[in-house]
Amino acid sequence: AQSVTQLGSHVSVSEGALVLLRCNYSSSVPPYLFWYVQYPNQGLQLLLKYTTGATLVKGINGFEAEFKKSETSFHLTKPSAHMSDAAEYFCAVSEAGNNRKLIWGLGTSLAVNP
Amino acid sequence: EAGVAQSPRYKIIEKRQSVAFWCNPISGHATLYWYQQILGQGPKLLIQFQNNGVVDDSQLPKDRFSAERLKGVDSTLKIQPAKLEDSAVYLCASSSRVTPQETQYFGPGTRLLVL
Repeated sequence: AQSVTQLGSHVSVSEGALVLLRCNYSSSVPPYLFWYVQYPNQGLQLLLKYTTGATLVKGINGFEAEFKKSETSFHLTKPSAHMSDAAEYFCAVSEAGNNRKLIWGLGTSLAVNP
Repeated sequence: EAGVAQSPRYKIIEKRQSVAFWCNPISGHATLYWYQQILGQGPKLLIQFQNNGVVDDSQLPKDRFSAERLKGVDSTLKIQPAKLEDSAVYLCASSSRVTPQETQYFGPGTRLLVL
């Protein structure tokens, strides 16, 4: 069965520092992988996704993630944190096939300190 | 392009009362999802529609929750009667197709508090 693990429910970084949010998944077949962001009192917004092709995926707001099959990981990074990056980040996985639903991680709350 | 609309944004009810949430997806999106997001957890899919047909309702507590999408556009999710554990944010999302790699677009959610 599919599952998603986000290591660290809370991550705190200084403004300008590297952001690294970790996501590991389990899947019996090549997965589709997603990172969504949720700002306070707002809905979820897609940051980036991996479906096929290049394993390094670039998303909005300077974020990127790399699909590493051997490590079953899809960690999210950003070279330099901005105050506006403070939000909740969710990793999700689905599998190819009809009607495969998204399986979500528990989320990581990112705080950015001045 | 208008996003996914949801109403109300907030609702407070007492247990055993009923409540209904409304969602209008992005124009042209055939697939509509209702999620329940409890504080500190990721979204949990309650029901997925393709046009006006149900694709997946395996996690919908059917003894108290119901949802419909009669004309294949907007949708209503109802809880009757509500329990304390139903306190959560109810998110509606839509996508252009039902395939699993499609991006889902989310509304702002309805925050429900059951007292």
